[in-house]
Amino acid sequence: DTEVTQTPKHLVMGMTNKKSLKCEQHMGHRAMYWYKQKAKKPPELMFVYSYEKLSINESVPSRFSPECPNSSLLNLHLHALQPEDSALYLCASSQDGLAGGNEQFFGPGTRLTVL
Amino acid sequence: GENVEQHPSTLSVQEGDSAVIKCTYSDSASNYFPWYKQELGKGPQLIIDIRSNVGEKKDQRIAVTLNKTAKHFSLHITETQPEDSAVYFCAAMARGSTLGRLYFGRGTQLTVWP
Repeated sequence: DTEVTQTPKHLVMGMTNKKSLKCEQHMGHRAMYWYKQKAKKPPELMFVYSYEKLSINESVPSRFSPECPNSSLLNLHLHALQPEDSALYLCASSQDGLAGGNEQFFGPGTRLTVL
Repeated sequence: GENVEQHPSTLSVQEGDSAVIKCTYSDSASNYFPWYKQELGKGPQLIIDIRSNVGEKKDQRIAVTLNKTAKHFSLHITETQPEDSAVYFCAAMARGSTLGRLYFGRGTQLTVWP
């Protein structure tokens, strides 16, 4: 099973709202990633968790707050977003990010629209 | 850091023809090269990958070749079908790099005409 699931599939929120994106994998992977993807562009790395600890933050604005409650779950908390934050948010996982060179499997993404 | 260039940005082929997408990378430490297919409204799907100790890898109609000396790798799709239409991304990763960071090319929109 190489499935990464994400909820919700679509999300529309106002600039004053607080919402969360959720990601789950049951492959025993110890590295999990959040990416942002704009139309016709490659995914851009936002955060990396390795063994449930935040290992990379790509200078992402604080209105995006990641959380890794356990090795299978990854959340992205959203607050006071801007319209330019509208994008496809992708979650991915890999067996062991520390080792490098391991396959990353992506979820289907959450299509976020900020009004 | 690593820089991955991908060409062409768009590719149109007739059903049954072959399609080739090429990527170059800059960091000689890169040793893992995956290819992703992304259909409209979906997440990227890993379709094939190659590691630096191998020059070619095949999986049915798709193959990837790697030239480490020239720092380029290519995706070959034979006997294309309309369902192959998608955006394809190449990527590179260096063992020992920061926690499995993937460097993506800009993508190739492949259209297969029936």
